[in-house]
Amino acid sequence: NAGVTQTPKFQVLKTGQSMTLQCAQDMNHNSMYWYRQDPGMGLRLIYYSASEGTTDKGEVPNGYNVSRLNKREFSLRLESAAPSQTSVYFCASKVTGFPGANVLTFGAGSRLTVL
Amino acid sequence: AQSVTQLGSHVSVSEGALVLLRCNYSSSVPPYLFWYVQYPNQGLQLLLKYTTGATLVKGINGFEAEFKKSETSFHLTKPSAHMSDAAEYFCAVSRTGGGNKLTFGTGTQLKVEL
Repeated sequence: NAGVTQTPKFQVLKTGQSMTLQCAQDMNHNSMYWYRQDPGMGLRLIYYSASEGTTDKGEVPNGYNVSRLNKREFSLRLESAAPSQTSVYFCASKVTGFPGANVLTFGAGSRLTVL
Repeated sequence: AQSVTQLGSHVSVSEGALVLLRCNYSSSVPPYLFWYVQYPNQGLQLLLKYTTGATLVKGINGFEAEFKKSETSFHLTKPSAHMSDAAEYFCAVSRTGGGNKLTFGTGTQLKVEL
């Protein structure tokens, strides 16, 4: 059981380039999330998708777009990368509608460097 | 609105000593509370959670946490630290009823020394 799979694991971009981070889960979870992790700032929510067909902004959405392609896949796109977007990105998913279910399953992370 | 404050970005203990990682929360409604652990170059894993019922919650690897409403705290403890406990620990809060967003603290890096 793979859980949450993120690709790529590492990426180096130049300022202004675009790229898409891919995320897929095989647990039949309804909700999916993209977080970024920066030293001393913990995890900050970029975007989330409560269910297939819906997406909502989180705490730090500027400079990002997302697509919930189907129930399994949730991608994060940087249209014009900036050095401030250098970070480690985590995708996560969870079941909704179950009592006490706010347990997130995380991917291994994607480390992005923007030069 | 909800938030989490983790006191101490770095904590160092000796192997065999008590581990205490502090977490205080702010929530306008009764919260669900979580501790996650992150080992180097990995994603986060759930250690334990409080939703309803017993306020002392036991998790994996000998960790436990106690929900204290009067103190708005959810501190993480382990009686005897092991070298393998060295990791970063995150406290998180969400609304009761599930909700769709967890808010994470800034993390505490635990170092275990011989």
